[in-house]
Amino acid sequence: DAKTTQPPSMDCAEGRAANLPCNHSTISGNEYVYWYRQIHSQGPQYIIHGLKNNETNEMASLIITEDRKSSTLILPHATLRDTAVYYCIVRVVTGRRALTFGSGTRLQVQP
Amino acid sequence: DTEVTQTPKHLVMGMTNKKSLKCEQHMGHRAMYWYKQKAKKPPELMFVYSYEKLSINESVPSRFSPECPNSSLLNLHLHALQPEDSALYLCASSSPGLDEKLFFGSGTQLSVL
Repeated sequence: DAKTTQPPSMDCAEGRAANLPCNHSTISGNEYVYWYRQIHSQGPQYIIHGLKNNETNEMASLIITEDRKSSTLILPHATLRDTAVYYCIVRVVTGRRALTFGSGTRLQVQP
Repeated sequence: DTEVTQTPKHLVMGMTNKKSLKCEQHMGHRAMYWYKQKAKKPPELMFVYSYEKLSINESVPSRFSPECPNSSLLNLHLHALQPEDSALYLCASSSPGLDEKLFFGSGTQLSVL
């Protein structure tokens, strides 16, 4: 699986959009981009994933650049409950099943 | 039911003890995982079971012994652990497919004295 690079920490004001970047410049054509988050003392939680196109669900939006070398997770209206570590993970479509976690971004939502 | 249930939530054990961690899911998932997470670090993969067969062992010491008795249940047997094995142990499950998602339990916080 391709390696990902994320900023170690970010702050966001409550009610504002949180934009979390991820660099995955060595991604190959058969690799998905997944985002998970881990709130303190809980297990990681799936947020969203995509291959090429931008994706949106009830939790977030995922914007993948055209060359697929980077992506941005957008939480449109951050709340205090969104304070967590956010992991960007690249995973091959077939073959090895497991997720390999990088260091992630610690997002602190400020009141 | 989209839950992965792990028991116990907390466990304290001595280095000579034998204990087991349990994980259960009723989502019909055929892949199950054990991850280990030290404080302020990302989860690290330990084992993967696929269709009740061990498919990945990330060179985990033999004092950790996984078992998958059926498609809903995953155990991690612990014996002769060291204090450095103290960590949060996370179980996850997924349904094999092109865009499968892992569902995680809340973990067992293990302290080895």
